Amino acid sequence: QAVVTQEPSLTVSPEGSVTLTCGSSTGGVTSGHYPFWFQQKPGQAPRPLIFDTTDRHSWTPARFSGSLLGDRAALTLSGAQPEDEADYYCSLSYGGARVFGGGTKLTVL
Amino acid sequence: QVQLVQSGAEVKKPGASVRLSCKAFGYTFGIHWVRQAPGQSLEWMGWISVVTGHTKYSQNFQGRVTFTGDSSANTAYMELSSLRSEDTAVYYCARDPAAPGEFDYWGQGTQVTVSS
Repeated sequence: QAVVTQEPSLTVSPEGSVTLTCGSSTGGVTSGHYPFWFQQKPGQAPRPLIFDTTDRHSWTPARFSGSLLGDRAALTLSGAQPEDEADYYCSLSYGGARVFGGGTKLTVL
Repeated sequence: QVQLVQSGAEVKKPGASVRLSCKAFGYTFGIHWVRQAPGQSLEWMGWISVVTGHTKYSQNFQGRVTFTGDSSANTAYMELSSLRSEDTAVYYCARDPAAPGEFDYWGQGTQVTVSS
């Protein structure tokens, strides 16, 4: 089974910007992996932010954006808020089977 | 507004089986099952269409997990057998609306504890 890799932890200053990335052990990430991004806070279910590489859900703040960056999927947060401190997970599709990354713990400090 | 409501917490002994349910209020084509062990990442277990009954299983659980669905009740079930301590986790269901943006709505999660 493929392994999806993420940065274990990142720190961003309030109002700052940060990019989280998501890689695949099978090679470069493409739109055909349909990258998804989720936010999870302690004790809560994951909350979907981005689907199909770049698309936001209706509830996703505009400060979150998804893209492909080189051979990885990326989630960029521009103008970080204290409430953005959370774990972030990406997920890639491999022929319909989903694999989640190990998650990135984002600290806003 | 779509809502997924999952069954309550379970405590099981090693070797036993557990059956969880996920009832959807609102349109749902399919249900993904995802679990999260304590302090760990999310793990996709598989998917079932509650409309057609088609299933797709993660290789990690093939042979040990069975998904079923009741289209009349808009409910999906997940049965995991031969439980071991490593199966202790919160089990989530998430919606597939058969449109872009699956995993858009999640259940509240069900805690399964496997302990002798």
